[in-house]
Amino acid sequence: GIQVEQSPPDLILQEGANSTLRCNFSDSVNNLQWFHQNPWGQLINLFYIPSGTKQNGRLSATTVATERYSLLYISSSQTTDSGVYFCAVSGAGSYQLTFGKGTKLSVIP
Amino acid sequence: DAGVIQSPRHEVTEMGQEVTLRCKPISGHNSLFWYRQTMMRGLELLIYFNNNVPIDDSGMPEDRFSAKMPNASFSTLKIQPSEPRDSAVYFCASSFSSNQPQHFGDGTRLSIL
Repeated sequence: GIQVEQSPPDLILQEGANSTLRCNFSDSVNNLQWFHQNPWGQLINLFYIPSGTKQNGRLSATTVATERYSLLYISSSQTTDSGVYFCAVSGAGSYQLTFGKGTKLSVIP
Repeated sequence: DAGVIQSPRHEVTEMGQEVTLRCKPISGHNSLFWYRQTMMRGLELLIYFNNNVPIDDSGMPEDRFSAKMPNASFSTLKIQPSEPRDSAVYFCASSFSSNQPQHFGDGTRLSIL
């Protein structure tokens, strides 16, 4: 099946700093989603981005499907951004989302 | 609009008991997914329904697990008998179609003592 690798596994930021999270995948995808799992365990949809670039406030994401990677940018980080960020993909013709292991982000005041 | 609704949010029970988790998908979504999240294995797909029909249950760990979707607005995941190794967070997700973005409920945190 499709493989998903996220980096870095852990990240500690000072409040106000910017960061880039990376997701590499092993095959063509028809679905790529970024999620934020907050400290209460909720999985929040951030982006549906199988290709291209999207922005939502301080967050933006870019997927380069031909090179099989996606990036999530967080600008001016806040303590509420803490949690685990997951990249999840499904291959062409598939419905099954395969999740990466996540990047654990800690934003300190 | 209401999102995916799961109940209960937390469940603590003794091994051997029957556990039933419930899910109401987003109205109009025809695809429903049950996932399990553990520290060891991360997020794993258990079963996928399309138009209320189970399409893929290859992720269901064993016969103790069963899932139903009697109509477009309700699904259950049942464990009977439960075991301590079933302790995990169980998520339900729905999407408009199988390759559209999946929206997750808040999950049920299950603890089997």
